[in-house]
Amino acid sequence: QSALTQPASVSGSPGQSVTIPCSAPSTDAGAYNYVSWYQHHPGKAPKLLIYDVTYRPSGISNRFSGSKSANTASLTISGLQAEDEAVYYCNSYKSGSTVVVFGGGTKLTVL
Amino acid sequence: QMQLQESGPGLVKASETLSLTCDVTGDSITNYYWNWIRESPGKGLEWIGYVFHTGSVNYNPSLKSRVTMSMDTSRNQLSLRLTSVTAADTAVYYCASRWQLTTRSPGVFDIWGPGSVVTVSS
Repeated sequence: QSALTQPASVSGSPGQSVTIPCSAPSTDAGAYNYVSWYQHHPGKAPKLLIYDVTYRPSGISNRFSGSKSANTASLTISGLQAEDEAVYYCNSYKSGSTVVVFGGGTKLTVL
Repeated sequence: QMQLQESGPGLVKASETLSLTCDVTGDSITNYYWNWIRESPGKGLEWIGYVFHTGSVNYNPSLKSRVTMSMDTSRNQLSLRLTSVTAADTAVYYCASRWQLTTRSPGVFDIWGPGSVVTVSS
């Protein structure tokens, strides 16, 4: 069981916005400060969307945005498109450690 | 443009050793930390560990007793060995690195190989 908790699935209609949370244990509040988000389509390599909570790599659409409040980081996808249907993973590492942990992944369905 | 390509036997028998390589083209592997990550059916992504050309390694504690990562700088190639495999090790295995971004986080991977499918048979 991952230290980072994500919902198994979320859904939204084209044009809408969806938010995917990624929660660290409340006992570790403040310990997971560098959060990244990845998009994974079946049969393809995962793709980095967001790093260090809010930063987008070059070439990533500004429809993808990241935020963090207390022990929960979030990925928001605005203006949903059919091609956004994928599995989304958060990852981070615990302060004082260099062990990387991934969340369990969230399947986004575009209705 | 750097490119990564994993390769290895698609089928490994239970209790045997899984061996994979990752060929890197377009840049020297000595410039980066190299990670192995896997995705198992129904389990999602799992970080296996990283290796640096100095010999520095860092493994996921859950796999540490069975994992060895190494680099061959003359071939610009990475290697992963996982011993005593079971069905739970059936996964797509990726090599990945932080290539063009500046961050303190060890969990930022902006370049990935296409992945190598490994099935463990009984």
